Amino acid sequence: GAGVSQTPSNKVTEKGKYVELRCDPISGHTALYWYRQSLGQGPEFLIYFQGTGAADDSGLPNDRFFAVRPEGSVSTLKIQRTERGDSAVYLCASSFSGPNEQFFGPGTRLTVL
Amino acid sequence: DQQVKQNSPSLSVQEGRISILNCDYTNSMFDYFLWYKKYPAEGPTFLISISSIKDKNEDGRFTVFLNKSAKHLSLHIVPSQPGDSAVYFCAASVPGNTPLVFGKGTRLSVIA
Repeated sequence: GAGVSQTPSNKVTEKGKYVELRCDPISGHTALYWYRQSLGQGPEFLIYFQGTGAADDSGLPNDRFFAVRPEGSVSTLKIQRTERGDSAVYLCASSFSGPNEQFFGPGTRLTVL
Repeated sequence: DQQVKQNSPSLSVQEGRISILNCDYTNSMFDYFLWYKKYPAEGPTFLISISSIKDKNEDGRFTVFLNKSAKHLSLHIVPSQPGDSAVYFCAASVPGNTPLVFGKGTRLSVIA
């Protein structure tokens, strides 16, 4: 069956530009999570959705970062005025309600020049 | 302040032997623990999990042990195979569908 998919797989942008990263969760999964992984680190939580609403956005580093999930399925992570420090792999995961086994997509590697 | 710690950045094991990966945590509210495996250029893949009401969970070659009093868990892989070579992440969560807190990972190399 289809797993979590993320597009694009790679994104190179210039400092100051706006980017959107997309996540398609596993069909039927109600919870969707965004994480960011920097080199040599484990994934770090950014934001998570239950259905359409953001249940917890405490991991977003600042107000340049925003995410939506308007129909409770696909989610978009939006980063305004990108900075070089935003360069990382952005991971999306989804899960059913119940045991907290989250299934990850392949990630989007963002490079800000 | 790291709530989940994997103190060994790397581990090298011979094929056929046992691999033991360790993880410590500080938050006593964690009640669910997971291990993920990650190959380069791929997302983490769920491997095995354990609830805090258990002290052991086994799935084929993989066994996770949980010692709540020591706030320590370990992943045993036996026998180790070259295809097990990857980065292994320990993760934990508080009750409910909540964000996972990850360690920094341990790179396992299984040598043929």
